[in-house]
Amino acid sequence: NAGVMQNPRHLVRRRGQEARLRCSPMKGHSHVYWYRQLPEEGLKFMVYLQKENIIDESGMPKERFSAEFPKEGPSILRIQQVVRGDSAAYFCASSTAGGTEAFFGQGTRLTVV
Amino acid sequence: KQEVTQIPAALSVPEGENLVLNCSFTDSAIYNLQWFRQDPGKGLTSLLLIQSSQREQTSGRLNASLDKSSGRSTLYIAASQPGDSATYLCAVDAGNNRKLIWGLGTSLAVNP
Repeated sequence: NAGVMQNPRHLVRRRGQEARLRCSPMKGHSHVYWYRQLPEEGLKFMVYLQKENIIDESGMPKERFSAEFPKEGPSILRIQQVVRGDSAAYFCASSTAGGTEAFFGQGTRLTVV
Repeated sequence: KQEVTQIPAALSVPEGENLVLNCSFTDSAIYNLQWFRQDPGKGLTSLLLIQSSQREQTSGRLNASLDKSSGRSTLYIAASQPGDSATYLCAVDAGNNRKLIWGLGTSLAVNP
């Protein structure tokens, strides 16, 4: 059973481009969480999704950021028109519906140049 | 609003020492508390998870304790090794959609 898979591991985008970050949860996991770690800052919750539903997006910036977890395929975190301040490590975690623990992927490190 | 603080921010010790990392949280109504390890430029490795009803958890040379009433957790590392060098993060699950609230971490250097 593979762990939580995130790709790409590293992503470089120019200002104004779009960034798409993918997260494949562990097998059997239906809940996905995204966190962001800005340089020199702690990790912050962004969004919690179940398949085809956004449960809690209270940590998502109001503009340019969106997330989805379709019935089939990975969860996608999309950042439109990236700016230098979006440079960070983005971590995805997954859990089962009744699980007490979420398991983390290796992260995607986004650099905006 | 739940806040998590970790002290010290950085720690440097000689190999073989026993050490304690501290984590405090402002709201005692937690679901669980986890300790993670993060190596530079790498992902997050879960070390120990303590449920709110538990007082401690042990894994190998690691022991984590939880005192909900005082809002504190400690991570004890016995007989430290250079391979233990990493940043140690404490995260609290307040049970609200399982959103983890994170401390800033303690950066540990174990010198050979």
